[in-house]
Amino acid sequence: DQQVKQNSPSLSVQEGRISILNCDYTNSMFDYFLWYKKYPAEGPTFLISISSIKDKNEDGRFTVFLNKSAKHLSLHIVPSQPGDSAVYFCAASARGTYKYIFGTGTRLKVLA
Amino acid sequence: DTEVTQTPKHLVMGMTNKKSLKCEQHMGHRAMYWYKQKAKKPPELMFVYSYEKLSINESVPSRFSPECPNSSLLNLHLHALQPEDSALYLCASSQARLAGAYGGQFFGPGTRLTVL
Repeated sequence: DQQVKQNSPSLSVQEGRISILNCDYTNSMFDYFLWYKKYPAEGPTFLISISSIKDKNEDGRFTVFLNKSAKHLSLHIVPSQPGDSAVYFCAASARGTYKYIFGTGTRLKVLA
Repeated sequence: DTEVTQTPKHLVMGMTNKKSLKCEQHMGHRAMYWYKQKAKKPPELMFVYSYEKLSINESVPSRFSPECPNSSLLNLHLHALQPEDSALYLCASSQARLAGAYGGQFFGPGTRLTVL
């Protein structure tokens, strides 16, 4: 039972354009969502998070949007840069637990 | 200091060896985690320690033995591993969500383990 899904395994975007990565979840108890960036053979790097009391959180080039009714979140990267090329994971957590449930990841390739 | 450190970076061991992986954080986080990650897969939770007590064991085989000596350190003791245990082992830490705290879960760089 995949509670957190990233339905696009890969995405290619031209440098300078917007990258939009999507994530869907099924568990209505999730109240905290995170995005990570991962390079091969390295640990995931925490990028940005959002709690369920918000619908948008912005940090520099990264913005996360949360649509609770649709159980959907997205990460926008503007403008995209070649150094953004990596695998992006979304993760979700429910209050009162220690588990962070990860999606399957989306490989982003930013073309110069 | 927002860093989680892990040693060693690489480890090669035979199936009869005993080795340990080490993890350290100084962010005051009271939850620490071990994950296993295979290529092209998301991190897979193994263990969670909260306030130095084991809170979650995701049915991990006993050849993996975690230990949390204090709030900053987390070890993973390895014994009689199998070749299929070869993977990237990641340590992470976070605020204790049981208390409702928010905050990112921060990962170390990982230990690349190869079992021959």
